[in-house]
Amino acid sequence: ETGVTQTPRHLVMGMTNKKSLKCEQHLGHNAMYWYKQSAKKPLELMFVYSLEERVENNSVPSRFSPECPNSSHLFLHLHTLQPEDSALYLCASSQATGTVNYGYTFGSGTRLTVV
Amino acid sequence: GNSVTQMEGPVTLSEEAFLTINCTYTATGYPSLFWYVQYPGEGLQLLLKATKADDKGSNKGFEATYRKETTSFHLEKGSVQVSDSAVYFCALDAGNNRKLIWGLGTSLAVNP
Repeated sequence: ETGVTQTPRHLVMGMTNKKSLKCEQHLGHNAMYWYKQSAKKPLELMFVYSLEERVENNSVPSRFSPECPNSSHLFLHLHTLQPEDSALYLCASSQATGTVNYGYTFGSGTRLTVV
Repeated sequence: GNSVTQMEGPVTLSEEAFLTINCTYTATGYPSLFWYVQYPGEGLQLLLKATKADDKGSNKGFEATYRKETTSFHLEKGSVQVSDSAVYFCALDAGNNRKLIWGLGTSLAVNP
C-alpha cells in the first residue's frame, strides 16, 4: 500500500455511540494531522502530531480524542457526538525538515454522519 | 496574522477555456505556497507548490507563479477539461512547518 489510507470511508453513528477513525501512512513522514471539512466552511485543523507527540490541539471538544501509537498510525476516537459534528474528516501526513514544508499527503477521508 | 484569500466560486467554464483562480496572501517573511485539488468524494491532493519568490510551480497543465510584489499565487491553465472539475485550495506555510493556512476553496465546473 502507498500513501495515506483512511478507514472507514463512510460512518453513520448515533449520538450515544463510540467509534474510531483510523489513518495509516506508508510514506515515512514524521507528522500527522486530523482536519475537519464541513460544507461552506474553511478546513479546520483539529490535531497535529509530530514524532508521535501531540503538538497542537485547536480547542477541539473532548468528545474527539486522538491517539498516535506510532509514526505510521493515527486514530480519532469519537463518543457522544452531536449532529453538527457530521462532516468529512481528513487525515494528512507530511515530512517537515527544518523550515521546509514539502506539502501534505491527504487520505480520502471518512464521511461521518451523526444521527 | 497570516491569511489566504481566494476568489469566490463557483467558476463555470466550457471545455478548452482558459482558467484563472486568484489567490492572494498575507504573511510575514517568505512563505511557501501551495495549490491543492479535491475531486468529488476524495481527499485533497497536492497540485503544485512554490517555495520562493518568482518560482513557478506546474503540474498537469496547471501553473502558478509566486509573486512577492503582489503577494499573489494565481492558478492558471490554458485549456481546461471536464476532468478538471473539482475544488481548488490555495494554502501557505509561513514557517511553522507543521501548519498550513488555507483559503476557502474555489469550486470549478467544466462543461463539455
